[in-house]
Amino acid sequence: QLQLQESGPGLVQPSETLSLTCTVSGGSISSTSYYWGWIRQPPGKGLEWIGGIYYTGGTYYHPSLRGRVTISIDTSKNQFSLRLRSVTAADTAVYFCVRQLYLLTLYGGDYFDYWGQGTLVTVSS
Amino acid sequence: QSALTQPASVSGSPGQSITISCTGTNSDVGGYDYVSWYQQHPGKAPKLMIYEVSSRPSGVSNRFSGSKSGNTASLTISGLQAEDEADYYCSSYTSSFVVFGGGTKLTVL
Repeated sequence: QLQLQESGPGLVQPSETLSLTCTVSGGSISSTSYYWGWIRQPPGKGLEWIGGIYYTGGTYYHPSLRGRVTISIDTSKNQFSLRLRSVTAADTAVYFCVRQLYLLTLYGGDYFDYWGQGTLVTVSS
Repeated sequence: QSALTQPASVSGSPGQSITISCTGTNSDVGGYDYVSWYQQHPGKAPKLMIYEVSSRPSGVSNRFSGSKSGNTASLTISGLQAEDEADYYCSSYTSSFVVFGGGTKLTVL
């Protein structure tokens, strides 16, 4: 059974960089069928897609975060990571790592079928 | 880049059917058959319930069904059960990225 597990600091200072890693077990991150990505949820609010990465390193990001976000992949460790720069209180959220079906005929991905349990990151001094 | 529009809340009694709508534009819901629905219980990760408008993943009850007409997608839950009480989110592919709805809280009376 595929499992995704987020890890990283739960508290980040304003203006610093948020860094999270997702470790995938029970399956290979080098599959040609999937993107690996991040979705966040501010406390009491809805879901916001952040971006995704293919095993080749190809990425796509939400337009509102492009410029602050970088997603990277380490196929040797079966892990992928999120870096979000210049954070503010508005970036406080539960961050989920996800697996997303890769679309063959369009640029980007389809549905999210596996989710990590989520990790709360608070931006505060 | 606006979120898809969902009603904030819906409710129904056990055994009844309810429908949650998800309205977008012809750049997202109306333009692609890549609409999916997620169920989220408090403190838990979302769970995929419907993908590609009307397909159900293995293990999801056939009480859950999806459809689409124009720029509006819908999730219908028939034979409501207490465990269906949760938040529901729609999402859609849109010109190279993904957009979510604001979420709908389903209350089973």
